[in-house]
Amino acid sequence: GAGVSQSPSNKVTEKGKDVELRCDPISGHTALYWYRQSLGQGLEFLIYFQGNSAPDKSGLPSDRFSAERTGGSVSTLTIQRTQQEDSAVYLCASSPQGAGVAGGTQYFGPGTRLTVL
Amino acid sequence: TQLLEQSPQFLSIQEGENLTVYCNSSSVFSSLQWYRQEPGEGPVLLVTVVTGGEVKKLKRLTFQFGDARKDSSLHITAAQPGDTGLYLCAGADAGGTSYGKLTFGQGTILTVHP
Repeated sequence: GAGVSQSPSNKVTEKGKDVELRCDPISGHTALYWYRQSLGQGLEFLIYFQGNSAPDKSGLPSDRFSAERTGGSVSTLTIQRTQQEDSAVYLCASSPQGAGVAGGTQYFGPGTRLTVL
Repeated sequence: TQLLEQSPQFLSIQEGENLTVYCNSSSVFSSLQWYRQEPGEGPVLLVTVVTGGEVKKLKRLTFQFGDARKDSSLHITAAQPGDTGLYLCAGADAGGTSYGKLTFGQGTILTVHP
């Protein structure tokens, strides 16, 4: 079956513009995560969705960042009024395990490289 | 806040050499994962270690979880150019929130020269 897909693969925008990044998780996976990765660095947790539960937004760096997950499947990460420091690769991951399973395997998409000029 | 310190940050070696990457924390993790990431792609899971003192082998790669579940190491024997990439360790929260939220280390960029 298909893996996690993300679109666009690259996005160049001007400072102050809004951007939307999309993630299509693996079918049937209940958990979905968004991460941010600076060049050659580790991953910074942003937000987590699990089924119909309220998302864990504890990693969102500011109120300019928001995310939705419609119908328990596709997710959109929105960054409003983008700043240059938002430039990074945004990675999405999905996992088949539900809540209560620590360290469940996460399957990552290829990421969206965002450049804010 | 849980932190994972990964070292070294950069590693450049010749084909055939051995290497070890370390991942250390003052926090206890319920499990620890190692990922490998290539340019333009997302991280791919290599292994999950769960039990303190556990050792897992994957061909030329040996992974160890510390007895106290606070640290881990990745050892590569006879490195090959195909091992080149970014290696990431990630720990799963051991206290309460057990839904698989991961804390990532900063990563080790490994370059193996032919």
